[in-house]
Amino acid sequence: DAGVTQSPTHLIKTRGQHVTLRCSPISGHKSVSWYQQVLGQGPQFIFQYYEKEERGRGNFPDRFSARQFPNYSSELNVNALLLGDSALYLCASSPTRGGRYYGYTFGSGTRLTVV
Amino acid sequence: QKEVEQNSGPLSVPEGAIASLNCTYSDRVSQSFFWYRQYSGKSPELIMSIYSNGDKEDGRFTAQLNKASQYVSLLIRDSQPSDSATYLCAVTGGSQGNLIFGKGTKLSVKP
Repeated sequence: DAGVTQSPTHLIKTRGQHVTLRCSPISGHKSVSWYQQVLGQGPQFIFQYYEKEERGRGNFPDRFSARQFPNYSSELNVNALLLGDSALYLCASSPTRGGRYYGYTFGSGTRLTVV
Repeated sequence: QKEVEQNSGPLSVPEGAIASLNCTYSDRVSQSFFWYRQYSGKSPELIMSIYSNGDKEDGRFTAQLNKASQYVSLLIRDSQPSDSATYLCAVTGGSQGNLIFGKGTKLSVKP
């Protein structure tokens, strides 16, 4: 059974550019969320989607946006890249039962470097 | 501001010893509690989840939850060098269900 898959694995972009990161959840998981992890810190919540609707947004600027597709895959877009956006971007999917989220599984992440 | 606090370590234990990792959280309505292991350069891996007060054991790992004290812990028995990693405590943030992470505790198990 495939886990959470993310693409690309590594990316180098220039300041001011735009980037799109992609994620496919575990089969059967309808919830997808995105996190940013900078070195030495725990992951920080960016977005959560469930059944193609945004269910939560973290404290990130409007340059960050996301969406979820009918097949539950998701993409994260970041516009006008800054050096500070350099980080590991993680996607996680979770089964849900009775409105509760269980056992988030993370993908291997996309390492974004902004130069 | 909902917060999760962990001692950043590093925590160093000899091989075969018990490693004890602790975490406190600020949001009383948190419902689900997780421990993740993260090796350097890798993504977090879920090792334990706990949803009600008390202890939950899985192999060499025991998670403990005390909602009254807003405290979660992870015990690793018979620690192995392969357990050397950063351990992240995470709790769900209310109705949104997103995870709020601590900064992680770096564990080093010495042979």
